[in-house]
Formats: sequence, structure tokens, C-alpha cells
Amino acid sequence: DAGVIQSPRHEVTEMGQEVTLRCKPISGHNSLFWYRQTMMRGLELLIYFNNNVPIDDSGMPEDRFSAKMPNASFSTLKIQPSEPRDSAVYFCASSPDRRSSGEQFFGPGTRLTVL
Amino acid sequence: AQSVSQHNHHVILSEAASLELGCNYSYGGTVNLFWYVQYPGQHLQLLLKYFSGDPLVKGIKGFEAEFIKSKFSFNLRKPSVQWSDTAEYFCAVENTGFQKLVFGTGTRLLVSP
Repeated sequence: DAGVIQSPRHEVTEMGQEVTLRCKPISGHNSLFWYRQTMMRGLELLIYFNNNVPIDDSGMPEDRFSAKMPNASFSTLKIQPSEPRDSAVYFCASSPDRRSSGEQFFGPGTRLTVL
Repeated sequence: AQSVSQHNHHVILSEAASLELGCNYSYGGTVNLFWYVQYPGQHLQLLLKYFSGDPLVKGIKGFEAEFIKSKFSFNLRKPSVQWSDTAEYFCAVENTGFQKLVFGTGTRLLVSP
């Protein structure tokens, strides 16, 4: 199994540009999670999906952030327009267990730098 | 709101020293508990988990954790650390049925050879 795949691994962009992060969960997993990791705030859950449906987006910082999961094997996190304070590592994770989401499998992350 | 506290932000140990990292959570209901590890430059990996049963849980690489319900704690331990244990350790809590993890802020462990 290839694990959770994220692309790109690194992204450098200028303030105001649109950024799209991509995630392919592990095949057969029901739940998908987007996290942001910064030194100041640690690991924050942004949004999660179950069976492609967004369940909780209360962690999305503001309207500039949006996430979609058009099918079971693909999700995107979009920031438009991007700002320097969005610089962080963004992780995608997936989980197979309906009983508990806890055993999550994380991707390698996308390190985003907004200049 | 549910929260997870990891009181030690940075820990420095010599090889063979014993390790204990604290984790406390605030929630009165039934919870599932986890420790994740993030090695330098890598993604998070599950170290161990507690759902129910024996409150002493054993994980990979010689780690263990003990769930003490009365203290709302789930401390991570290892009797003898190695240089390769240098990493950041995250405690996480899930309210059963809510399908959402809350992570602590992490503890950076540096093991000197």
C-alpha cells in the first residue's frame, strides 16, 4: 500500500495567489482529515470528511479556505487568496475505522510558504 | 470544549534514561486515547492507542502508556530511550462517537548519545 499521498510536497507562492493542495487517501478508508501544523498553534484539524461528505469544518480558519472531496480517492484543500500567515505544513490523513476515527494514517504533508 | 494538555514542551535526555511524558485531557465522557510520534522530517505515525480494557497499553518500539481515568491522564513511558527516539510526541483524544481527534501541542524529545 502506498499510504496517503499528498502533492505537492513543497509549495512557495506569493501573497494573493491561489493554492491547491491535493490528497489521495488509502484505498478503502472511509474518513479523510485535513490538518495544519505550525510552531505557534501546533496541529489543528481544519475539516474532515466521512464517505466523501464534509462532517465538521469548524476548524477552517476563514472563507479563504475551502475543501472538497469529489470521490473516495481524492480531496483538495484550496486557499484563495493566500496570505503569509497561511504558511504551515498541511497534512492529510485517512482512517478506515467507522467505530473510531482515531487510528489515522498521515500523509507526508505539504510545506506551504506564502511570501 | 475538549482540550489536551502536554505540560512538557521540550525534554532532553541522555541515552538509556527513562522517559515519561505527561498528557491530560478535559472531557468527562468516554474517550479513546492515542500517542503519535513525528520523527524529524517525517509525518505522524501512531505509537499506541487505548480504546478499552487494560489501562496499560503497549506500543511499538518499547513505548507504553497508562490510562488513569480518575486523573484524566494518559502518560507515555519508556524505560530506556535511544538516540533514535528523538522526535516530537503528540497525545490525542477522541470522544467516542464524535469521530474527531484533538491533539495536544506536542513534546519535543531530544536524546543525546
